[in-house]
Formats: sequence, C-alpha cells, structure tokens
Amino acid sequence: GQNIDQPTEMTATEGAIVQINCTYQTSGFNGLFWYQQHAGEAPTFLSYNVLDGLEEKGRFSSFLSRSKGYSYLLLKELQMKDSASYLCAVRDEDRHGQNFVFGPGTRLSVLP
Amino acid sequence: EAEVAQSPRYKITEKSQAVAFWCDPISGHATLYWYRQILGQGPELLVQFQDESVVDDSQLPKDRFSAERLKGVDSTLKIQPAELGDSAMYLCASSLGGISYNEQFFGPGTRLTVL
Repeated sequence: GQNIDQPTEMTATEGAIVQINCTYQTSGFNGLFWYQQHAGEAPTFLSYNVLDGLEEKGRFSSFLSRSKGYSYLLLKELQMKDSASYLCAVRDEDRHGQNFVFGPGTRLSVLP
Repeated sequence: EAEVAQSPRYKITEKSQAVAFWCDPISGHATLYWYRQILGQGPELLVQFQDESVVDDSQLPKDRFSAERLKGVDSTLKIQPAELGDSAMYLCASSLGGISYNEQFFGPGTRLTVL
C-alpha cells in the first residue's frame, strides 16, 4: 500500500521562505510531484523529482531523498497569491501499472 | 493552450438520483484519470484508463459508480443512486502515458452537491 504524510496547515509572512515537507511509503516508487491548488480550483503542476537532489524552478524548489522517503517544497520570496494548498503526489508502479497517490495537502496561508 | 474539459462545472441533485459527469482530455493523451476530492483532503483516484481500457478501478465503489471511455477519447463517470456522502469535487486528469515522466493535467472539476 501507499501512505503519504504532509502537515495540515502552515502560516508564513509575505517575503519569507517556507518549506513544506512530505514523507511517503510506497512499494514501487517512480517519481514525486508537487501540485498547487487554490480554493475551488483544480491542481496545477509545480515540480517533479525522480532522482535524489534539488530541482529549482524560479521561486520554487523541490528536494527528494528516495532512501528516506522524503521530499520538501521550498517557496522563496512568498507572495500573497501563494496562499493555497500544496499537494505531494507519488507515482507508484504496481501490478495495475502506474498510478498516482496524493497526500492530504498542506494549506499555506501567507500573511502581510 | 490545450486543456482538459469537464462538464458540468456544478451539479446539485437529490439522493437516490442518477448523475453523470463528462471529461474530454487533452488531444493525444492516452491516460485518463477520475479523482474524487473531499473538501480539505487530497484527490483520491477512482479509476484510471489507458486508451479505452480500465487500468485501475480498485477504489471505485462499483455498486453505484461506473465509468467508461468507449473510444479511448472522452469519458463519462456515472453515479446511481447518489448518496449524501458523494458530495465532493470530481476531477478529471489526463497524461501522455508511458513509463517516462508524464505530468497530469487537470480539468476544472465538477462540484457535486447531494441533498
């Protein structure tokens, strides 16, 4: 089976840096995704990691450690529009083929 | 820019009624997913198609839910009869498929309210 854990809520100040952690347990790990979801809207893709290390994309970076089953999303220079839920999703490969398992999401509030 | 289309955007129904949702994936995307997302939780996979074939429907409540993708393009998800606990956002997503990196693209979702 699969299990993904994220903090439920986080609060940070505009202009600051925030790190959102994700831990996972899967049997056939084949990649980790981060999505952003604003209230009432569909998730949008942020980043993808399949090898250990840091992937940087503008103000957002994502890190993966496969041996530890751990990832984090780093958001720099926070803006008010970054207030959203951040979903960690793992691509798992089993007898059915590939499927995506989403974590519960972390609701981030950015305060002025 | 190509997008995943879903309709309707909102649906209000009474319990025991039948409802149907439609999804049109991005052209050329072989893999199509239906997710259910309860408020405050992450999306939960209901069914995954590869072309017209069901790859995984292990989490689909088959006594009341059904899904089809007859021509391997657009797809329909049906609930009959609807129950109060089915109130949620139903998201459709598509991807190119294959074993290499393939990002999922989500549609705007259908918000279902069962009264």
